[in-house]
Parts: sequence; structure tokens; C-alpha cells
Amino acid sequence: NAGVMQNPRHLVRRRGQEARLRCSPMKGHSHVYWYRQLPEEGLKFMVYLQKENIIDESGMPKERFSAEFPKEGPSILRIQQVVRGDSAAYFCASSGTSAAYNEQFFGPGTRLTVL
Amino acid sequence: EDKVVQSPLSLVVHEGDTVTLNCSYEVTNFRSLLWYKQEKKAPTFLFMLTSSGIEKKSGRLSSILDKKELFSILNITATQTGDSAVYLCAVYTGGGNKLTFGTGTQLKVEL
Repeated sequence: NAGVMQNPRHLVRRRGQEARLRCSPMKGHSHVYWYRQLPEEGLKFMVYLQKENIIDESGMPKERFSAEFPKEGPSILRIQQVVRGDSAAYFCASSGTSAAYNEQFFGPGTRLTVL
Repeated sequence: EDKVVQSPLSLVVHEGDTVTLNCSYEVTNFRSLLWYKQEKKAPTFLFMLTSSGIEKKSGRLSSILDKKELFSILNITATQTGDSAVYLCAVYTGGGNKLTFGTGTQLKVEL
């Protein structure tokens, strides 16, 4: 039973380029969460999505960042016009129910480096 | 603003030692507290605690929650080098859809 999959594992972009991070939840899970981990900091919530819906995006920066979870295919976190401060590890997690008080299962993360 | 604080930030022990990791929180609408272990990859789930005073145990690891004093501890007995990792504490608040994490405790177990 495959766990949460993320790709790519490592991504290098130059300033001004776009970054696309993909997350495939565990089989049977329809709830996806994105977190960002900056160096020397804890994981910070970004966005919570269900299939085709953004439920909570209170942690998303207001500009350049967007997320989607289409009916078919993985969830995508998109960062436009990346800047050096976007360099971080981006983790995706999934859960099988509305996740209230259930464990979230994490993927291995995508490490984004902006040159 | 919801806050989760872990201590110590880092810890070095010898194999066989017992360690206690601390997590305190100041949040609105506390629902549950979770512990994760993070090596150089995905955080892996350890425990979820909802009720005060009830110990959760798995092998050499155990954890307990004190909702009155707003903290939790994670104990690891007879530590092994494979326990070396960052241990993360996180709290579900409000609607229970997002976790607020502490910065973690870096544990290193030496021979």
C-alpha cells in the first residue's frame, strides 16, 4: 500500500521561474494538506484541499502561491516567480476522512532551492 | 496566535539512556496533540493524545497529555542509535483540519 508520494524530491529553480510540486495522497484518501518547512523552523500549514475544493488556505501567501486538487490526478502546489525566500522543504500530507483529530500521513517532501 | 513550544531544542545522549521530550501549547479550541518522528524524510506518526492523563505506549516510547497544564511529554527508554531524529509535536485546533507544529527536538543517540 503506497504511502503519500511527492515529486520531484529535489527541485532547483532560478529566481523568476515557476515551481510545480506534486502530491499523490495515499490510496483512498481524499484530503490533502500542504506544509512548508523553512530552515531551522517547524512545519507551517499552508493549505487544505479536498477533491476540487480548497477548504482552508489561511496559511498560503497571498501572492504567487496557488494550490489545486483536481478530480483526477495529483494535488499541485504552484509557486510563480520564485524568490530566494521560497527555498524550503514542502511537505504534503493526506488523510482519509475529514481529518478532524485523525492522523495525517506525510510524504517525503520536495526540497526547493531557488538560485 | 496558536503556539506550540518544544524543549529542549536539541539533546545528545548515550545508548541506553532514558529521555523526556517536552511540548507545551497555547492554542484556542484545543482538540488533540500529535507526536511525529522525522528523520531525513517524511514525518512518521507516533501518537495522538486527546484525553488528559491517559498514557499512550508503543514499545519503548510513551506519551502523556496534561490538559490542565497544557503540555505533553514523550518518553523514550533504553534509547538506541536508531532513535536519532527530530521529534515533532503538533496540535489540532478549531475545526481540526490543520496542525500547528512546534520547531521540534533534535535527538542524537551516541554509542
